[in-house]
Order: sequence, then C-alpha cells, then structure tokens
Amino acid sequence: DVKVTQSSRYLVKRTGEKVFLECVQDMDHENMFWYRQDPGLGLRLIYFSYDVKMKEKGDIPEGYSVSREKKERFSLILESASTNQTSMYLCASNHRTGILYEQYFGPGTRLTVT
Amino acid sequence: LAKTTQPISMDSYEGQEVNITCSHNNIATNDYITWYQQFPSQGPRFIIQGYKTKVTNEVASLFIPADRKSSTLSLPRVSLSDTAVYYCLVDLMNTGFQKLVFGTGTRLLVSP
Repeated sequence: DVKVTQSSRYLVKRTGEKVFLECVQDMDHENMFWYRQDPGLGLRLIYFSYDVKMKEKGDIPEGYSVSREKKERFSLILESASTNQTSMYLCASNHRTGILYEQYFGPGTRLTVT
Repeated sequence: LAKTTQPISMDSYEGQEVNITCSHNNIATNDYITWYQQFPSQGPRFIIQGYKTKVTNEVASLFIPADRKSSTLSLPRVSLSDTAVYYCLVDLMNTGFQKLVFGTGTRLLVSP
C-alpha cells in the first residue's frame, strides 16, 4: 500500500513562529504536492514538486516556501505564521506516469495559529 | 477549468445503491472525470476515473453519457463506512502539472 505520512496530526503555533510541516512518501513517487483545505473553499494547491530540488508555485504560495532535498520528503515551511494560515494541510504524491489526477494523500495536519 | 455541480448532501440507508450525479456542462474534449472520497479528518482518496461510457472497479461504477456533460458515481449496497464527502473533478489533461481542484463535494450520510 502507498503510504504518505505527515509529521503531525495537530499543531498549535503562535503568530510569527516559523513552522515546518514534513511529508514523507514510500512509493518512489516523482511528484509531491502541498494543499490546504478550508471549509467552503475546497482544496487549494500551495506548491508542488516534480523532482528533487524542483518546485513550482501553486495557486496560493504567498507566505509559504517548500524544500525537497530527497525524493521521498517534501517540506512545507511557514516563514512567519499568521492566523489566516490556520487550516488543514494535506500532502499528496503520485507517479509522473501514473493515472492522471490519481494522487495519494496523507492524513493531514490541522494547524492552528494563535 | 471545467466547473462541476453536485448535490450538497444525500442520505441513504445501509444496503441501498447510491447514485451521485455531477454536472459538467463545459467539459472539454481532453478532460477526464475523476472522483475522490474523503472521510472526516483524513486526506481524500481516489475512487475512480473515466472518459466515456462506463468504468467499474471494486469500489464503484462511473457512468458517463455520450455527451459527457454529466457523470454518475454509483456505490452498490452502501454501508455505514461509506459515509463521507464525494468529490467530482474535471480538468484538462497535460496542464503542465496535475493540480486537483476540489469543489465542496457531496456529503453522503448512510444510516442503519
């Protein structure tokens, strides 16, 4: 079974803190994605990566950065957390040549910024 | 991006067949139709994908009429564990990257 794991299920941080969210997949997938999910807004893509050290901005990259130093690991960084970044963060991955739009999601990290 | 419309919620009972219809009037020639399922406090899970006619797997069936302006996800004999939100996605192939665009989905509640 494909496994995508995220470092924390729940996280509470203070405004201005630097926050790291880690995602690891064990299926040798080339593509990895970070989304956030908010009620009424659906899923929105923050960043994605199609290879080690490669990254592309999604729809809402402002206030975030990412790092992909190893193929299996994709990190999302909130440089200075703000209350409007309180959300559910979902990591996903898939093969470049797999079924289009079949992405494997992790369990999510519910981040609260106070 | 093709816009999709689905019912906000549906109710069913265990053992019944559930059909969730998605409308996508502006679907393009290259678009595939993809359905995801999401349980509370979990990430979405891919269920099924199709282009035309009928696709069936171990979880569900997907019916797509000839004009492709709508599609129907069919869940046979649902159980309580099928209570979830179901998302219909329609997007262009080869957009440069595989961005999933989820709407608000259909919240299915299965009762005993």
